Amino acid sequence: QQQVKQSPQSLIVQKGGISIINCAYENTAFDYFPWYQQFPGKGPALLIAIRPDVSEKKEGRFTISFNKSAKQFSLHIMDSQPGDSATYFCAASGGATNKLIFGTGTLLAVQP
Amino acid sequence: NAGVMQNPRHLVRRRGQEARLRCSPMKGHSHVYWYRQLPEEGLKFMVYLQKENIIDESGMPKERFSAEFPKEGPSILRIQQVVRGDSAAYFCASSPVANPGELFFGEGSRLTVL
Repeated sequence: QQQVKQSPQSLIVQKGGISIINCAYENTAFDYFPWYQQFPGKGPALLIAIRPDVSEKKEGRFTISFNKSAKQFSLHIMDSQPGDSATYFCAASGGATNKLIFGTGTLLAVQP
Repeated sequence: NAGVMQNPRHLVRRRGQEARLRCSPMKGHSHVYWYRQLPEEGLKFMVYLQKENIIDESGMPKERFSAEFPKEGPSILRIQQVVRGDSAAYFCASSPVANPGELFFGEGSRLTVL
């Protein structure tokens, strides 16, 4: 119940395309859902986050879509650029969980 | 305003030696988390500490691993009698509040056990 399942494991997108990464959770007490971006050799950095009182949040080219009934959330990267090539992690926390639980990550490669 | 500082960035140990990883949280942050990242895998929670207290160590292996966050100085993750399976990147993150919330990560300490 503490798991966050993430897919796909890897993704190749052409420059200008849309990258979509999906996550699912089971613990209905989770109330905070961030996405982190990690470049090789670096630590993860917060990209965008959502709470379940809204179904969508947009920041620039990055959008989180949240489906509370399905217990799923996804990251959409519009107009993907080679500089977006990185590993993306979804995560969740809330309720009695005093820590962020991370998905297994998606390695995104944006081809020029 | 310096970010989360971890050192050493790279550490090589032989089997049976001890590894000590240090983490200085961001200024004003009193909540520290340690995560382990194995190659091609996600971030696995290890331990959550506040000053002088271990709040949640549910992700720590029962043996050889310990963590502390003293009143003064950095948080320390200590691995005794290292084995090859301990080779990984260890990330520290800090937060200004409990029940995160945004976590601010350091750049990690990469441990290689020969």
